[in-house]
Amino acid sequence: NAGVMQNPRHLVRRRGQEARLRCSPMKGHSHVYWYRQLPEEGLKFMVYLQKENIIDESGMPKERFSAEFPKEGPSILRIQQVVRGDSAAYFCASSLYPMSTEAFFGQGTRLTVV
Amino acid sequence: GESVGLHLPTLSVQEGDNSIINCAYSNSASDYFIWYKQESGKGPQFIIDIRSNMDKRQGQRVTVLLNKTVKHLSLQIAATQPGDSAVYFCAENPSGNKLVFGAGTILRVKS
Repeated sequence: NAGVMQNPRHLVRRRGQEARLRCSPMKGHSHVYWYRQLPEEGLKFMVYLQKENIIDESGMPKERFSAEFPKEGPSILRIQQVVRGDSAAYFCASSLYPMSTEAFFGQGTRLTVV
Repeated sequence: GESVGLHLPTLSVQEGDNSIINCAYSNSASDYFIWYKQESGKGPQFIIDIRSNMDKRQGQRVTVLLNKTVKHLSLQIAATQPGDSAVYFCAENPSGNKLVFGAGTILRVKS
């Protein structure tokens, strides 16, 4: 049973470009969470999704950021018109039950905006 | 606001000694608390959790203590090994959908 898979592991974008981060949850998991981590800091919640639904996006910036978890395929975190401040590690977690303590994290995508 | 903080940013211990990592939290409504270990370049790895109605829970070589009176959480690692070197985060869930993480403590194990 593969763990949570995130790709790409590293992503470099120029300012103004779009970044797409993908997350495939563990098999059977229908709850996905995205977190952002700045260097030397803890993870900050961004969004919680179930299949085809956004449940809680209270941590998402109001502009440029969006997330989806379609019926088929991975969850996507999309950042439009990236700025240097978007440089961070983005982690996805999945769980079998809503906000279970048994949430498993992926290896993260490290986004660098140049 | 919600916050989870740590007393010590870096902890150095000798191999074989016990380690204690501390965490202060602010939200009394949190239902459970979790400790994660994060190695360089990797995602957080679940270590142990504790429900708010408990004050102690033990795992393999780890013990978590919860003191709700002073809103304090600690992680004890017995017989610390070089493989325990990592950043350790405490996290709480003030609401049902998300975890609030602390800033992290770096644990360095000296051989």
